[in-house]
Amino acid sequence: GQQVQQSPSSLVLQEGENAELQCNFSSTATQLQWFYQSPGGSLVSLLSNPSGTKHTGRLTSTTVTKERRSSLHISSSQTTDSGTYLCALNAYKVIFGKGTHLHVLP
Amino acid sequence: NSKVIQTPRYLVKGQGQKAKMRCIPEKGHPVVFWYQQNKNNEFKFLINFQNQEVLQQIDMTEKRFSAECPSNSPCSLEIQSSEAGDSALYLCASRLGGSAETLYFGSGTRLTVL
Repeated sequence: GQQVQQSPSSLVLQEGENAELQCNFSSTATQLQWFYQSPGGSLVSLLSNPSGTKHTGRLTSTTVTKERRSSLHISSSQTTDSGTYLCALNAYKVIFGKGTHLHVLP
Repeated sequence: NSKVIQTPRYLVKGQGQKAKMRCIPEKGHPVVFWYQQNKNNEFKFLINFQNQEVLQQIDMTEKRFSAECPSNSPCSLEIQSSEAGDSALYLCASRLGGSAETLYFGSGTRLTVL
């Protein structure tokens, strides 16, 4: 079946550093979403990006559909960015990766 | 961001008890999903609806869970007889239409089965 793999599984940064998160998927889908999950569990949709490059605030996502990969770049990380970043393939069902656990140190 | 509302936020039940959780999807969203997220961050699809109709569900949901999305009422997911392995975060999500649409999640119901 469809699979979504994320790397790295965890990442520790100093505040102000940039983060680069990767997502590889086994088949194409009509929608790819990046989510942020807080330590409390709430899931927030960050970007929907099936192809190309999209920006919102300090976030940039680039999806290369034919190479079946997407990246999420977080610039100038802040301690409040700490949490889990999930990549999800939005098909008939939604397939999630296991996430990247980001910890930003003050 | 999301206007999907889930209640309760926390739920504690004994083994064998019923556990019921509710979800109000974002207004105008006919497609609703339920997911179970375990301690290892793994998401398990449980069931999805389009309007009031079940589109797809897994075997476990069919046998042990009761789920519905009535018109003009919250969607609900109920475990008929809770087991320790059901302890997890239950997440509800909705979207406007097909797979090209953005999916929005609620804050989840964290179930603990003692």
